Amino acid sequence: NAGVMQNPRHLVRRRGQEARLRCSPMKGHSHVYWYRQLPEEGLKFMVYLQKENIIDESGMPKERFSAEFPKEGPSILRIQQVVRGDSAAYFCASSPPGLGYEQYFGPGTRLTVT
Amino acid sequence: GENVEQHPSTLSVQEGDSAVIKCTYSDSASNYFPWYKQELGKGPQLIIDIRSNVGEKKDQRIAVTLNKTAKHFSLHITETQPEDSAVYFCAASRPPVGTGANSKLTFGKGITLSVRP
Repeated sequence: NAGVMQNPRHLVRRRGQEARLRCSPMKGHSHVYWYRQLPEEGLKFMVYLQKENIIDESGMPKERFSAEFPKEGPSILRIQQVVRGDSAAYFCASSPPGLGYEQYFGPGTRLTVT
Repeated sequence: GENVEQHPSTLSVQEGDSAVIKCTYSDSASNYFPWYKQELGKGPQLIIDIRSNVGEKKDQRIAVTLNKTAKHFSLHITETQPEDSAVYFCAASRPPVGTGANSKLTFGKGITLSVRP
């Protein structure tokens, strides 16, 4: 059973470009979460999605950031007009349907903005 | 909102000794407390978790204890091995609200555990 998959693993973007990060949850999982990790820091929650619904986006910056989890295909975290401060590791986690709590993390996408 | 603090920030132990990592949380409504292990360049790996209706949980060399009154929980690793060297994160979450079946995790800043061979 494959785990959470994220791609690309490394992404380099110049300031002002767009970054698209993809996350495929574990098989059978219908909840997806995005977290950001800055160097030497813990993970910070960004957004929680179910299929076609954003449940909690309280951690998302108000501008330039958006997320979706369509009926078919992976979840996408999109960052428009990237700035150097967006450089970080972005992790996706998934959990099964129902009132479960366990979140299983993918390997992350390391975004570098030059 | 929830605030999770972890201490100490680094811990070094001799192989075979025990390691204890402590976390405190601020939100009395939090009811789920997982621990994650993160190795360099990898994603966090869930190693053990505890819910607020129990005080202790054990899985082989790893155990977690929870004190709801004091709002702290601890990770205990016995008979440490070099492969236990990693960054360990504690986290907390509240019961879900609204249409969500789950809740966000609030993480501590992590502790770097080094096991000396």
